[in-house]
Amino acid sequence: QQQVKQSPQSLIVQKGGISIINCAYENTAFDYFPWYQQFPGKGPALLIAIRPDVSEKKEGRFTISFNKSAKQFSLHIMDSQPGDSATYFCAARGAVGETSGSRLTFGEGTQLTVNP
Amino acid sequence: EPEVTQTPSHQVTQMGQEVILRCVPISNHLYFYWYRQILGQKVEFLVSFYNNEISEKSEIFDDQFSVERPDGSNFTLKIRSTKLEDSAMYFCASRVEETQYFGPGTRLLVL
Repeated sequence: QQQVKQSPQSLIVQKGGISIINCAYENTAFDYFPWYQQFPGKGPALLIAIRPDVSEKKEGRFTISFNKSAKQFSLHIMDSQPGDSATYFCAARGAVGETSGSRLTFGEGTQLTVNP
Repeated sequence: EPEVTQTPSHQVTQMGQEVILRCVPISNHLYFYWYRQILGQKVEFLVSFYNNEISEKSEIFDDQFSVERPDGSNFTLKIRSTKLEDSAMYFCASRVEETQYFGPGTRLLVL
């Protein structure tokens, strides 16, 4: 019940295209859903995050769509660029108490390649 | 911009040896984490640390693992007797409000 399922495993998009990565979760106690971007040899870096009380959040070319009833959320990268080529991880976090609940549960990752 | 730093970047050790991975979290953060990522797999939570004690740990974090904040800046992960399956990238993270900031990782190879 703690799992987060992510698809696709890999994605190839042409420059200027839209990249879409999907995640699904089971645990309804999750209340915070971040997306992380990871370049080779680097740690994951927060890209954008959403709470389940909103259905969409947009920051520049990056948009999270959230469907609470389906327990699914997705990342859309508009006008994809070669510099976006990286591994993307969705994650989920349970409600935070003072000393617990803040662990992130990650999806399997999607390796995105944007061809020039 | 403040960032989480980790040392060493790479460590090679023999099976059964002890290793200590070091992290310097962002200075005003109070919550600290260790995660690991086996090559080609997802990032997995190991342990969280707050107010000088473990607040959560995963099933991976068994008696071979320990964490410590020996001073006001460092946060360490010790593996007492390394196994081949401990080979992974280990990430330290620190948190303020909702965001966890990850360090660049230490690649541990156990031979």
